[in-house]
Amino acid sequence: GAGVSQSPSNKVTEKGKDVELRCDPISGHTALYWYRQRLGQGLEFLIYFQGNSAPDKSGLPSDRFSAERTGESVSTLTIQRTQQEDSAVYLCASSRGTSAIYEQYFGPGTRLTVT
Amino acid sequence: EDKVVQSPLSLVVHEGDTVTLNCSYEVTNFRSLLWYKQEKKAPTFLFMLTSSGIEKKSGRLSSILDKKELFSILNITATQTGDSAIYLCAVIGFQKLVFGTGTRLLVSP
Repeated sequence: GAGVSQSPSNKVTEKGKDVELRCDPISGHTALYWYRQRLGQGLEFLIYFQGNSAPDKSGLPSDRFSAERTGESVSTLTIQRTQQEDSAVYLCASSRGTSAIYEQYFGPGTRLTVT
Repeated sequence: EDKVVQSPLSLVVHEGDTVTLNCSYEVTNFRSLLWYKQEKKAPTFLFMLTSSGIEKKSGRLSSILDKKELFSILNITATQTGDSAIYLCAVIGFQKLVFGTGTRLLVSP
């Protein structure tokens, strides 16, 4: 079946604008994760959703970042008033559940460039 | 604070060389350690290690975990240019993955 998809693949935006990044998880995967990877750095956990439970937002770097998920489907990561330090690749992953966290399937990512 | 440290940060070798990548960790509620290969954007899964001393092997790649000393190594023998990538180590804590910064491997022809 189809893997995790993300859109757009690349996004260039001006500082101060808002952006929305989209993630479509694998059908049937109840857990969804967002990560950020800055150039030359490791993956930074941002947020995860498990079913209809309240998301774990502990990794969000500031209140300019928010994420939503509709049921067990699409998720959007919104960054308001973008800053240059937000430039990174944003990766989404999904798994059958957080008990299967080791079987995360990653999307291709969205490369965000803030000018 | 949970952390995963990888070394070296980058490495350049010639085709045919053998390389060893290192990963040490301090993570509460350790469950497993994972290795990923990242070539463009999305990392691809290589190994999951849960028990000490049991080598996992896939072709020219192998990995082993030492839970007493809190580290793992990833070995690649007879390297090829297609092995050039960032190799990420991640540790599963309580319902969360903690990633290292990765080792950037470049295999020159």
